[in-house]
Amino acid sequence: GAGVSQSPSNKVTEKGKDVELRCDPISGHTALYWYRQSLGQGLEFLIYFQGNSAPDKSGLPSDRFSAERTGGSVSTLTIQRTQQEDSAVYLCASSPPGVRGLKTQYFGPGTRLLVL
Amino acid sequence: DQQVKQNSPSLSVQEGRISILNCDYTNSMFDYFLWYKKYPAEGPTFLISISSIKDKNEDGRFTVFLNKSAKHLSLHIVPSQPGDSAVYFCAASGYGGATNKLIFGTGTLLAVQP
Repeated sequence: GAGVSQSPSNKVTEKGKDVELRCDPISGHTALYWYRQSLGQGLEFLIYFQGNSAPDKSGLPSDRFSAERTGGSVSTLTIQRTQQEDSAVYLCASSPPGVRGLKTQYFGPGTRLLVL
Repeated sequence: DQQVKQNSPSLSVQEGRISILNCDYTNSMFDYFLWYKKYPAEGPTFLISISSIKDKNEDGRFTVFLNKSAKHLSLHIVPSQPGDSAVYFCAASGYGGATNKLIFGTGTLLAVQP
């Protein structure tokens, strides 16, 4: 079946502009995660959605970052007034239901964001 | 503070030999550990995992060992193949079940020489 898909694959924007990044999780997966990987760094957790529960936003670096998940499926990560330090690869992951399933996340290819 | 550490940024191994990738963690609340493999321009791919109630898990050429007292885990690949060349990330999860976010290490670049 289809894996996690993300769009766009690459995004170049000017400092101060807003950007939206999209994630389509694997069908049937109840949990969705956003991470980012800055140059030379590991993957940094941003936000986690699980079913109808309130999302875990503890990893969002500032209030310029927000995310939503509509209908329990597609998610959009929005970065307002982008800064150069926002340049990174933004990765989305999803995981299937069940206690064990939630522990294993399947990643999309990422969106490479460059803020000039 | 880096809770999951991969102290070797790179490793070079000859084809057919064993590759050993190491990972250390600091948070004793972690109860599940995973290894991911990442090729350039692709997302990480799940490789193998281990629960804290075990000390070893094997899947084909890949074996993960967990030493809870030392807060250390390792991934063994044997025999190593050129197609194994990638960045390997160690990840940990588990704060009592409230969330399943993964805490990742910074990765180790494995190069398997033909």
